[in-house]
Amino acid sequence: QQQVKQSPQSLIVQKGGIPIINCAYENTAFDYFPWYQQFPGKGPALLIAIRPDVSEKKEGRFTISFNKSAKQFSLHIMDSQPGDSATYFCAASKVTGGGNKLTFGTGTQLKVEL
Amino acid sequence: GAGVSQSPSNKVTEKGKDVELRCDPISGHTALYWYRQSLGQGLEFLIYFQGNSAPDKSGLPSDRFSAERTGGSVSTLTIQRTQQEDSAVYLCASSVGQGPQHFGDGTRLSIL
Repeated sequence: QQQVKQSPQSLIVQKGGIPIINCAYENTAFDYFPWYQQFPGKGPALLIAIRPDVSEKKEGRFTISFNKSAKQFSLHIMDSQPGDSATYFCAASKVTGGGNKLTFGTGTQLKVEL
Repeated sequence: GAGVSQSPSNKVTEKGKDVELRCDPISGHTALYWYRQSLGQGLEFLIYFQGNSAPDKSGLPSDRFSAERTGGSVSTLTIQRTQQEDSAVYLCASSVGQGPQHFGDGTRLSIL
């Protein structure tokens, strides 16, 4: 059972565009929603994370939008650059009493073209 | 080093052999996680250590997989009698308590 569904599988945008990656979760006990960025041959690196008590969080060019009632959250990358080309993973976990074991989405390969 | 260190970075072995993968977490991090990243299954949780508590082994796919964490620091993931479906990148992450997890670059395991 896939508990976190991520789309699209791949995405191509022009430099300066705003790619949007979407995730949906099933387990209402999840209370922590991070996004990770992964380059080839490297481990995932934490970009930004949100808790369900807020609807939006911004850190630099990265924004998470969170819709608790719809059980959906998304990542927006403002003013995208070729260096943002990577695979992005959403994840979810139950921190309180859950050990923060991450359940990952299937990943989105982003390419930012000049 | 400042980050999570994993060794070896690559491991090629024959089917049926045992392998040991090592993880050095960030100093002071109390929690340590193992995940597996494969083409067919994506990123999946394997096992979690938190301080002196009993590890959470709920993600281990079979009894051929085991892990230990010595002295609350270094961890070793052992796969016995390896099978071709064990081929994957094995990732280790550490955190302060249940805070943000920081990943190493993984061990790429190939079973011939």
